[in-house]
Amino acid sequence: KNEVEQSPQNLTAQEGEFITINCSYSVGISALHWLQQHPGGGIVSLFMLSSGKKKHGRLIATINIQEKHSSLHITASHPRDSAVYICAATLSGGGADGLTFGKGTHLIIQP
Amino acid sequence: DAGVIQSPRHEVTEMGQEVTLRCKPISGHNSLFWYRQTMMRGLELLIYFNNNVPIDDSGMPEDRFSAKMPNASFSTLKIQPSEPRDSAVYFCASSLVLMVGHPYEQYFGPGTRLTVT
Repeated sequence: KNEVEQSPQNLTAQEGEFITINCSYSVGISALHWLQQHPGGGIVSLFMLSSGKKKHGRLIATINIQEKHSSLHITASHPRDSAVYICAATLSGGGADGLTFGKGTHLIIQP
Repeated sequence: DAGVIQSPRHEVTEMGQEVTLRCKPISGHNSLFWYRQTMMRGLELLIYFNNNVPIDDSGMPEDRFSAKMPNASFSTLKIQPSEPRDSAVYFCASSLVLMVGHPYEQYFGPGTRLTVT
């Protein structure tokens, strides 16, 4: 069983819809990261959070430490949001640890 | 800042050849990570350095893989000899870790797409 699980694996939606991507983890973490990978392959960090909620533009990330669950929401989705969204964790035990990744959610927003 | 720089961006080589991937982290960052991405396994950590010292290389698949960080501005990942199953995208990432135990955002390079035939 992977330490970081994401759902759904694939998601197709219409422009304007509210999008939710879920991430659950089974180990102790010091932070949860949401990354975006565009078709060109580059990876960009969207959020890093260890509690509560963060918002940047139309993107919102939340985390529930007790339930070991995080969500990424996209409001008023747009075709340019089409990408792979990856949940990753920094495991407890050291600030210099590498990331442990989920398998990613392939999101397509149709016009 | 130019961001994390990786070279080459694409590499095609024959089985058995030596491959060297290069990474220049963001100036001032003190942690560097090598990751590999494949369709089957997704993204995986290979090795990370803190202050040029390898901290965890447990993700390095086998002895054919080696990584060095001779100074704060340069790292290499070498595969010798290469095999077709090494075909993947290799990402380098860097971060500034001010205090051990506190995670920090990582900045990824564009990746090197390696094809071993």
